[in-house]
Amino acid sequence: EAGVTQFPSHSVIEKGQTVTLRCDPISGHDNLYWYRRVMGKEIKFLLHFVKESKQDESGMPNNRFLAERTGGTYSTLKVQPAELEDSGVYFCASSQWGLATISGTDTQYFGPGTRLTVL
Amino acid sequence: DQQVKQNSPSLSVQEGRISILNCDYTNSMFDYFLWYKKYPAEGPTFLISISSIKDKNEDGRFTVFLNKSAKHLSLHIVPSQPGDSAVYFCAASAIDNQGGKLIFGQGTELSVKP
Repeated sequence: EAGVTQFPSHSVIEKGQTVTLRCDPISGHDNLYWYRRVMGKEIKFLLHFVKESKQDESGMPNNRFLAERTGGTYSTLKVQPAELEDSGVYFCASSQWGLATISGTDTQYFGPGTRLTVL
Repeated sequence: DQQVKQNSPSLSVQEGRISILNCDYTNSMFDYFLWYKKYPAEGPTFLISISSIKDKNEDGRFTVFLNKSAKHLSLHIVPSQPGDSAVYFCAASAIDNQGGKLIFGQGTELSVKP
């Protein structure tokens, strides 16, 4: 079974440019999450899709970030225009049920991440 | 406002000895806790978890302990092996967050020396 894949693995752009990151979740996983890790700090939640709908976008930093999930399959995260503080590693994760219950949280499987450098 | 904290950025342990990684949290609504392991250039992979109704969960060489009154959890690795060298992230989720989003700590880099 293929895992979560992300493209590109690295991206170096200049401030003010646009970058689009792509995530392909595990087949059959309705839940897709975007996270970001900046400068060796904690991994921060950005948003959560259930199929094509945004369930929770409370972690999106500002309106320069736009996430979509066409047809409930792959997802894209666009940063426009990019700023220096957007540099970091962007992780995508997927899970089947996306539930948090007293007995557990459905396991989230992470992709390898996209390292974004904004110069 | 960081709700999950790992105060030790790094830890070095001799092969065969015990590794203890610590994690503190502030949000009393958290009721499920996880540890993820991350190798360079890879994404985090799930390691072990514990529900707030338990105080210990064991899986092979890995044991997670939860102290709810102290809002503290720890991961014990016994015996430590060189292949355990990685960054370990503590994460938490809350039952009132039906989406299952995870709140992570900063990570602790474990180095196991032969």
